Amino acid sequence: DVKVTQSSRYLVKRTGEKVFLECVQDMDHENMFWYRQDPGLGLRLIYFSYDVKMKEKGDIPEGYSVSREKKERFSLILESASTNQTSMYLCASSLRSSGRPEQYFGPGTRLTVT
Amino acid sequence: SQKIEQNSEALNIQEGKTATLTCNYTNYSPAYLQWYRQDPGRGPVFLLLIRENEKEKRKERLKVTFDTTLKQSLFHITASQPADSATYLCALPGFSGGYQKVTFGTGTKLQVIP
Repeated sequence: DVKVTQSSRYLVKRTGEKVFLECVQDMDHENMFWYRQDPGLGLRLIYFSYDVKMKEKGDIPEGYSVSREKKERFSLILESASTNQTSMYLCASSLRSSGRPEQYFGPGTRLTVT
Repeated sequence: SQKIEQNSEALNIQEGKTATLTCNYTNYSPAYLQWYRQDPGRGPVFLLLIRENEKEKRKERLKVTFDTTLKQSLFHITASQPADSATYLCALPGFSGGYQKVTFGTGTKLQVIP
């Protein structure tokens, strides 16, 4: 089974702090994604990566950056956390092949910025 | 712009009945459509994918239809059980910067009442 793990289930940070969220997948997937999920707004794509050191902006990249130095690891960085970044953050991975586009999600990190 | 709508935020049905959830989309010509299940506080889990040339797909008690003329997918759970209570998301492929991504609907929360 594909396993996607995220570094923390719950995280509390203060406004202005730099926050790192890490995601690791063990199935050699080329694609990795970061989403945030808020009530009424659904899943929104922040960034995605289709290869090591490659990244593409999603729908809401402002205030975030990402890093993918190794194929299995995709990090989301909040350079200066703000209260409006309080949310559930979900990482996902998938194969590059369009024949298998399904995404496998991690358990999520609930981030609270105070 | 591309838009995905899931028919209702919440759906309550009696145990044993068939639950039918709807996903409508506009300004898309998707090659496939996916359905995911999400339990509270967890990441979504992939259930089924149906391609544009498939009218119907089944997996155990689940059935998905895909009508590209109506731009609609129906997701059925037959003989529903309380354990089926969850939020169900539909998802369609899109492109960003020349790379494929997926856009999720906001979901329908299904409650199966014993």
